Amino acid sequence: GAGVSQTPSNKVTEKGKYVELRCDPISGHTALYWYRQSLGQGPEFLIYFQGTGAADDSGLPNDRFFAVRPEGSVSTLKIQRTERGDSAVYLCASSLMGGQGSDEQFFGPGTRLTVL
Amino acid sequence: AQSVTQPDIHITVSEGASLELRCNYSYGATPYLFWYVQSPGQGLQLLLKYFSGDTLVQGIKGFEAEFKRSQSSFNLRKPSVHWSDAAEYFCAGSNFNKFYFGSGTKLNVKP
Repeated sequence: GAGVSQTPSNKVTEKGKYVELRCDPISGHTALYWYRQSLGQGPEFLIYFQGTGAADDSGLPNDRFFAVRPEGSVSTLKIQRTERGDSAVYLCASSLMGGQGSDEQFFGPGTRLTVL
Repeated sequence: AQSVTQPDIHITVSEGASLELRCNYSYGATPYLFWYVQSPGQGLQLLLKYFSGDTLVQGIKGFEAEFKRSQSSFNLRKPSVHWSDAAEYFCAGSNFNKFYFGSGTKLNVKP
């Protein structure tokens, strides 16, 4: 079946604006993850969903960042009052069960966010 | 704190030469360890993973990695590099819900 998809692939916005990034996980995967990858760095964990609930949001940098997964499949990462420092590639991943270190995560191609 | 370190930012090897990419981890217990490859415009692709048991694990595309507890290392190796292996490689450790990634090693392959 299809892999993890993310839209848009690129997003350019102005400082202070609101953005939404969408992730469509692999069908049947209950766990969904968001990561942020800044230039020259490895991906950094943001939030993990098990079903519809955020099981671990310890990586969200501040309260401008919020994510939802209302029906347990598609997830949206929302960033309010964007700042230039938010510019990065936002990666989404899904796994079959989650909550286990051995569960393989499958990654989407990412959304490149540029804040001018 | 749990962390994964990749000490080499860039590595250049000649096509056909052998390759070793270094990864060190810092965890309280034996972690789950992974190597991913990221090509430009592509998502992260899993090369191999280690959970327990045999410390030498085989992956896709001819890659292997060896877990050495005494050195807290999980180095990635390939006996003969192909030009198509040029990419960025990430080592990651897992703790239940999240992966901790290293900062990556960019591999260049000389013809």
